[in-house]
Amino acid sequence: DTEVTQTPKHLVMGMTNKKSLKCEQHMGHRAMYWYKQKAKKPPELMFVYSYEKLSINESVPSRFSPECPNSSLLNLHLHALQPEDSALYLCASTRTGGGDTEAFFGQGTRLTVV
Amino acid sequence: KNEVEQSPQNLTAQEGEFITINCSYSVGISALHWLQQHPGGGIVSLFMLSSGKKKHGRLIATINIQEKHSSLHITASHPRDSAVYICAAQTSGSRLTFGEGTQLTVNP
Repeated sequence: DTEVTQTPKHLVMGMTNKKSLKCEQHMGHRAMYWYKQKAKKPPELMFVYSYEKLSINESVPSRFSPECPNSSLLNLHLHALQPEDSALYLCASTRTGGGDTEAFFGQGTRLTVV
Repeated sequence: KNEVEQSPQNLTAQEGEFITINCSYSVGISALHWLQQHPGGGIVSLFMLSSGKKKHGRLIATINIQEKHSSLHITASHPRDSAVYICAAQTSGSRLTFGEGTQLTVNP
């Protein structure tokens, strides 16, 4: 199994809503990532979890709250988002948090904030 | 100046043509990744290189560490190759620095 599975594939939410994005992998990878991608732009790193601990937070606003309940699962909790937060949110995993390891990406969640 | 630069930004080819996408980087890297992104959004890892050359089917990736340059070649291109191709430099730890991407369109 070399898949990173993200749910939901599409999400429309209001600015007062609370929702969560989910990412799952069963490759035994110990590093997991959240990226945000706007249209026609490259992905931007948001968070990195290494061995279930948050290792990188790229100064992301607190309305985005990551969680790594176990080594296979990564969540991104969303609250009080703004329309400019509409984007494709990509999850990725690597075998470790060190260098020289192949990255596996999910299909993304396309988020629209209305 | 971006740390990772790709060229061209857009590329249109006829089916069967040989295609080259270039990537130059200005940072120290532990590896260089080539990724493919289809309109649906998901990203597929094509290659991870730290030296030399790799081949997978019709795809070939090369890297010149001294010149800080990598190329992705597609032989006998096909319309299903149409996608955005992204070069990403792996720098500290597993951090990836992405290029802006190359939109490839292969016409039948």
